[in-house]
Amino acid sequence: AQRVTQPEKLLSVFKGAPVELKCNYSYSGSPELFWYVQYSRQRLQLLLRHISRESIKGFTADLNKGETSFHLKKPFAQEEDSAMYYCALWYFGNEKLTFGTGTRLTIIP
Amino acid sequence: GAGVSQSPSNKVTEKGKDVELRCDPISGHTALYWYRQSLGQGLEFLIYFQGNSAPDKSGLPSDRFSAERTGGSVSTLTIQRTQQEDSAVYLCASSLGTGGDTQYFGPGTRLTVL
Repeated sequence: AQRVTQPEKLLSVFKGAPVELKCNYSYSGSPELFWYVQYSRQRLQLLLRHISRESIKGFTADLNKGETSFHLKKPFAQEEDSAMYYCALWYFGNEKLTFGTGTRLTIIP
Repeated sequence: GAGVSQSPSNKVTEKGKDVELRCDPISGHTALYWYRQSLGQGLEFLIYFQGNSAPDKSGLPSDRFSAERTGGSVSTLTIQRTQQEDSAVYLCASSLGTGGDTQYFGPGTRLTVL
C-alpha cells in the first residue's frame, strides 16, 4: 500500500535561514505529490503540487523518483511561514489523498 | 466564491449518542471527500463521493460510520453510538472532478465524545 512519511514532527528554523521539510513516499507507480499547509486558525490549503512546477510563496519541491522523495524547500524563511505542513500523494485510480503525519514548522524571529 | 463549509464547527456529545456532521461543497464540484484528523495521526481518508455515489468507502473505520450525499451537493457523515476514540476533527473537501484535481478543504468539525 502507498505510504507518505514525514520524519520530522517539529522543525524550528531562524528567520532568514533555509528551510527543508522532508517527505518520502512509497508507491511503485507514477504518483502525483502535493504539499498542503495549515496556518494557525485557518483551513488546510494547497501550497503546491509537483505537476505544476510552480514556486509558491518562495517554496519549491522537486519530485525525486529515484529517492522517492518530495522535499519542500525555501531559501530564506519568513515568520509567516510558521504553520503545519502536510505532504500528500495521489495516484490514478485511487482518488483519495494519502497524507503524511505533518511537520510543524516554527520560524524563530 | 464561497469555499467548502461544514457544520457544526464544534460538537460535544456523550458516549453512545449519534451525531451528524454536514458538508457543503463548492458549487459545481462533483467530487467530495471526508477525512479525519486525530491528534498525532495526520489526516485519514474516510470516504469519497463522485456525484451521489460512493465508489470508495474503504476508510470508514466501522459500521457505526456512514455517509450520504444528495443532489450531488450536500453530504452528511453520521456516526452512531459514538465512542471516545471517535473524537477528532472531521474534514470535508471537494474537487471539480477526479483525476487528481485539487481538493479544497472546509474548516472542519471538531467532535468531542465525553
